[in-house]
Amino acid sequence: AQRVTQPEKLLSVFKGAPVELKCNYSYSGSPELFWYVQYSRQRLQLLLRHISRESIKGFTADLNKGETSFHLKKPFAQEEDSAMYYCALGYGQNFVFGPGTRLSVLP
Amino acid sequence: DGGITQSPKYLFRKEGQNVTLSCEQNLNHDAMYWYRQDPGQGLRLIYYSQIVNDFQKGDIAEGYSVSREKKESFPLTVTSAQKNPTAFYLCASSILGGEETQYFGPGTRLLVL
Repeated sequence: AQRVTQPEKLLSVFKGAPVELKCNYSYSGSPELFWYVQYSRQRLQLLLRHISRESIKGFTADLNKGETSFHLKKPFAQEEDSAMYYCALGYGQNFVFGPGTRLSVLP
Repeated sequence: DGGITQSPKYLFRKEGQNVTLSCEQNLNHDAMYWYRQDPGQGLRLIYYSQIVNDFQKGDIAEGYSVSREKKESFPLTVTSAQKNPTAFYLCASSILGGEETQYFGPGTRLLVL
């Protein structure tokens, strides 16, 4: 069955430090992968998707099919990056989310 | 914020009662989804619909029902058969299904009295 895992429930880093949120997936076909973010008191929204190959708010994510990973990275974390981050897999007509990682950026 | 709305923001259910959560979108999206969000479990798919008058069960459909009579609307009914309904419910829509970006509503928190 298709599955998305995010091994860290909580990740704390200091402002200015690099951050990496891990995401692994299980899917035998060609995946569509997304990172969604939920800031405090805001609705869940798309951060980036692998097909667009964009850098959003300084975040990037590279799809590694060999390792079935789609880790989210940012070289210098900011306090406003503190939020809940969800990795998601789209396939066919379906969608599955990971359990989420709460990123806390400390001053 | 517009685009996709959910109401009410909070909903209270008594034992044995069915309650309906509203989801409306004016984005002209074909696909709509209902998720349940529980702490530590992320989002789990309840039902989804790719087109009017058609919908499919997600991973946790038991105790829930939906309808899709209009493209803009996808209400979710939490029936008395759902034994653990307390959760945060999110509605989403996308242009097409599965592999397209989803746009989320603000959510409804359901509490059992």
